[in-house]
Amino acid sequence: EAQVTQNPRYLITVTGKKLTVTCSQNMNHEYMSWYRQDPGLGLRQIYYSMNVEVTDKGDVPEGYKVSRKEKRNFPLILESPSPNQTSLYFCASSFSMGAGEQYFGPGTRLTVT
Amino acid sequence: DQQVKQNSPSLSVQEGRISILNCDYTNSMFDYFLWYKKYPAEGPTFLISISSIKDKNEDGRFTVFLNKSAKHLSLHIVPSQPGDSAVYFCAASESGSNYKLTFGKGTLLTVNP
Repeated sequence: EAQVTQNPRYLITVTGKKLTVTCSQNMNHEYMSWYRQDPGLGLRQIYYSMNVEVTDKGDVPEGYKVSRKEKRNFPLILESPSPNQTSLYFCASSFSMGAGEQYFGPGTRLTVT
Repeated sequence: DQQVKQNSPSLSVQEGRISILNCDYTNSMFDYFLWYKKYPAEGPTFLISISSIKDKNEDGRFTVFLNKSAKHLSLHIVPSQPGDSAVYFCAASESGSNYKLTFGKGTLLTVNP
């Protein structure tokens, strides 16, 4: 089954404790992206990657890091989480077709206290 | 500055009737538009898209209309079904933007039996 998986699905952590949210896709997609969804703000892009070792900032990259060492994986790293990073996070992937349909993972609900 | 606007946070319709969800954009460089549907506790799923060279695209019960001069697009669902109840996101992209999608804030559609 073609899918994007994220782990963990739910996470409660404390300020300053480094964490990683994993994202993996099995569709051989070149493009992957991370979004956060906040009430009243819709979906905002954090980082994206056009291929292995190629990443760039989205609209709200502050406080986040990413890496793309393999085509299928695109982890999101919070080196020192803060309460304003409490959010719902989505990973997405697509073929390199400019715009087009992105496949989203099920989401990770992160709470930073 | 919000480039993609969904001015109706919510919409309620009766089963069997037409649902019309609206979206406005300000960036004249956008040339590809998409609608995503999102159920609670799931990631957004692609619904339908339209290129700026067209003014209409139809897929079963779903039709998207694009009015470039007004910078407006709409999603029509006919007939509406209770299973269509979800949050609908409008998204837009421009060629050469490195696959970046700009999302609206979403509209919660409720279809009443």
